[in-house]
Amino acid sequence: NAGVTQTPKFRVLKTGQSMTLLCAQDMNHEYMYWYRQDPGMGLRLIHYSVGEGTTAKGEVPDGYNVSRLKKQNFLLGLESAAPSQTSVYFCASSYTFGSGTRLTVV
Amino acid sequence: AQKVTQAQTEISVVEKEDVTLDCVYETRDTTYYLFWYKQPPSGELVFLIRRNSFDEQNEISGRYSWNFQKSTSSFNFTITASQVVDSAVYFCALSDYTSGTYKYIFGTGTRLKVLA
Repeated sequence: NAGVTQTPKFRVLKTGQSMTLLCAQDMNHEYMYWYRQDPGMGLRLIHYSVGEGTTAKGEVPDGYNVSRLKKQNFLLGLESAAPSQTSVYFCASSYTFGSGTRLTVV
Repeated sequence: AQKVTQAQTEISVVEKEDVTLDCVYETRDTTYYLFWYKQPPSGELVFLIRRNSFDEQNEISGRYSWNFQKSTSSFNFTITASQVVDSAVYFCALSDYTSGTYKYIFGTGTRLKVLA
């Protein structure tokens, strides 16, 4: 039972490049979330989904897009990466978290 | 508005001491959930406990215990006989339905250092 799987675990991007972070869950949860974690700021919600085919903005959505084409997958996209998006990204399925993705934008 | 406050930014204790991490929350909902997570140096977020607003019984799990008091809007976490492996950042979180969907609000975390 994998729970919540995030890929990749680490990534370095150049400013302006794009990438997609994948989150997969096998717990049949409706709710899924993307957060970013920055030093001293706890976790901040980027986008979330309440079910297949739905997405909604969280606290800090600018510069990110998401898709939930299948219930088990929730994708987070950066269309044109900026240094301000250097962070650790966590996906959650309900209240279970993935192991995180450390992204550096140079 | 929902809010979670962890006023203790960092705590240092000597091994075998007891330590309590404070969490104060704000919500207008009568139904909500409270959580504690541990984030060790390796970086993952480890779920410790979920408590719903209708269950005010204290909970104990090994060396961990939680004190939920609705009257003071607090959900404090105590580690008894702390160990070096308890060194981590601990997050308290609140989930309610205020905005018409379940979202999770996190505190800024308390860094616990247990010294040998």
